[in-house]
Amino acid sequence: EAGVVQSPRYKIIEKKQPVAFWCNPISGHNTLYWYRQNLGQGPELLIRYENEEAVDDSQLPKDRFSAERLKGVDSTLKIQPAELGDSAVYLCASSLSSPSGFYNEQFFGPGTRLTVL
Amino acid sequence: AQTVTQSQPEMSVQEAETVTLSCTYDTSENNYYLFWYKQPPSRQMILVIRQEAYKQQNATENRFSVNFQKAAKSFSLKISDSQLGDTAMYFCAFIRGSRSGGGADGLTFGKGTHLIIQP
Repeated sequence: EAGVVQSPRYKIIEKKQPVAFWCNPISGHNTLYWYRQNLGQGPELLIRYENEEAVDDSQLPKDRFSAERLKGVDSTLKIQPAELGDSAVYLCASSLSSPSGFYNEQFFGPGTRLTVL
Repeated sequence: AQTVTQSQPEMSVQEAETVTLSCTYDTSENNYYLFWYKQPPSRQMILVIRQEAYKQQNATENRFSVNFQKAAKSFSLKISDSQLGDTAMYFCAFIRGSRSGGGADGLTFGKGTHLIIQP
């Protein structure tokens, strides 16, 4: 079974440029997460989707960040315009959530390392 | 809000030794899960072990075991017979139990411990 796929693996851009990251979750997983991991830190949640609905985007800087998950499968995270402080690893994860309340493991992709010059 | 604290930025041990990584957390929740994740240089987050808060028995996965002290809000990871492949960043993480209706919050991570296994 294929894991969570992310692209690109690396991206270098100049500040004020736009950038987009793509994530394909594990087949059948209805919940998708975007995390940002700054250097020397643990990942922090940016946004969580249940199917195509963003149910937790409280940590997403909405002035420059946007995300979408059309058809409840693939997702794209965009930054426009990028700032120096956006340099980080952007991780995507997916899980199969159920109404039972039992926690199901989040599977992570390899991440995209963004460098803003 | 939940917080996770890892007070050891880096640890180094010899191959085959036993090493313990520390983690403390703060929460007002009673139903939650705790995890240890491994992140090698490839950046892939790999789940090492999980612990349900309602279980008193400490979780064990082969060479990996935890010491879960719920009252003290402590969750340490012990790696026995350490191997060179264990070299990586290790993150302690927390998630509250899912509420009825489905869905799960995002994980709350600590800052990580860089574990180095020396040959």
